[in-house]
Amino acid sequence: GAGVSQSPSNKVTEKGKDVELRCDPISGHTALYWYRQSLGQGLEFLIYFQGNSAPDKSGLPSDRFSAERTGGSVSTLTIQRTQQEDSAVYLCASSLGQGMNTEAFFGQGTRLTVV
Amino acid sequence: AQSVTQPDIHITVSEGASLELRCNYSYGATPYLFWYVQSPGQGLQLLLKYFSGDTLVQGIKGFEAEFKRSQSSFNLRKPSVHWSDAAEYFCAVGNSGYALNFGKGTSLLVTP
Repeated sequence: GAGVSQSPSNKVTEKGKDVELRCDPISGHTALYWYRQSLGQGLEFLIYFQGNSAPDKSGLPSDRFSAERTGGSVSTLTIQRTQQEDSAVYLCASSLGQGMNTEAFFGQGTRLTVV
Repeated sequence: AQSVTQPDIHITVSEGASLELRCNYSYGATPYLFWYVQSPGQGLQLLLKYFSGDTLVQGIKGFEAEFKRSQSSFNLRKPSVHWSDAAEYFCAVGNSGYALNFGKGTSLLVTP
């Protein structure tokens, strides 16, 4: 597609349930990022995929969070046993990822509400 | 490790006044530098970027930024602010093979 696509745009879930958030990056982009933006907060880095390299998971806040990227394209962020503090907007971005092409293009985000 | 600092959490300026948003980075080599803007309820939009060459970079919406290696800074400027510029501004630093690092953002309020 023309841009980074995220689904769903909104998700309301009950505390303790698992959720999956999907990101379709721009075709050909080798780098993919997940960020979390809580109310009034900046962008919190979660995880970074670059080509076939092992992902940088240093930003994942707990072992309830995981992400995968299948075939170097679509990525899924999974949050298990959701907690109220997980409520946030989850942003995905992609970039060509090499040299001067590190400019990231963002999706519109998934707004997650845990009730 | 790379890091980005935006010292000002909130800034208020009058419409028509000039604007400067500060950004300092920590990185051994010359990084790739970006400014993004996020309007209320919107996604992030790239304003401008610096990779090399001329240290004064022009962006969209009348914004510019200047890279100062000696100060490890990449401050964003606009000569005359419009009410529609009210938004959250993020500075970011990137480099090949590493995750793009964002500052915590500066919230701009424009008063009449």
